[in-house]
Amino acid sequence: EAGVAQSPRYKIIEKRQSVAFWCNPISGHATLYWYQQILGQGPKLLIQFQNNGVVDDSQLPKDRFSAERLKGVDSTLKIQPAKLEDSAVYLCASSFQENTEAFFGQGTRLTVV
Amino acid sequence: GIQVEQSPPDLILQEGANSTLRCNFSDSVNNLQWFHQNPWGQLINLFYIPSGTKQNGRLSATTVATERYSLLYISSSQTTDSGVYFCAGVSGGYNKLIFGAGTRLAVHP
Repeated sequence: EAGVAQSPRYKIIEKRQSVAFWCNPISGHATLYWYQQILGQGPKLLIQFQNNGVVDDSQLPKDRFSAERLKGVDSTLKIQPAKLEDSAVYLCASSFQENTEAFFGQGTRLTVV
Repeated sequence: GIQVEQSPPDLILQEGANSTLRCNFSDSVNNLQWFHQNPWGQLINLFYIPSGTKQNGRLSATTVATERYSLLYISSSQTTDSGVYFCAGVSGGYNKLIFGAGTRLAVHP
C-alpha cells in the first residue's frame, strides 16, 4: 500500500515570495492533516480536512496561508508571502476517518532566507 | 483542545538499557498514537493505542485512558532507537490530533 506522498522534499525561497506544497494521501483516507514542525518542537496542526470540507483551521495564519482539498483527495498548502519564521518542516498526514490511525508523509523542509 | 505533556524531555542511555517514556493528557482521549521521528524527519508509527497494552518486539505501550496517561517502554535499547519520540492524542468532541513536545532519546554504544 502506497503511503502519503509529499512534494517537494526541500524548498528554499526568499522572504515575501510564495510557495506551494502538495500532498497525496493514502487511497481511501477521508481525513487529511497539514502540520507545521519548527525545529525542536512538536508538530502543530494547521488545518484538518474531512473529505473536501474543513474540520479545523484555527491555527492557520489565514492572512498568508491557504489550503484546499479539491475533490476530497489531493491537497495543496500555500504560503504567500513567506516570512522568515515560516521556516519549518510541513507535514501532511491522512487517516481513514477522524479518530483512526494517522500516517505521515516525509515532509517538505522549507527554508525562508 | 487537549494539552499533551511528555516526559522526560531528554534522555541519554547506554546501549542495552531500558527506559520508560510518559505522556499525560489534560482530558480523556479516544485516540492515542506513539511515533518515532528519525534523523531524516520521518514520523514512523509505533503504536495506535487508545487503551490497553500492546507489544512490538522490544517496544511496548500502555494507555490508561481513565487516568489520562500513556507509557512507552523501550527494552535493550540500541543506537538505532535514537531520535525523538512523540505521542499524540484526540479528545472526545474535538477530533484534532494534538502532539506533545517530544522526548529526545540518545543511545550511546
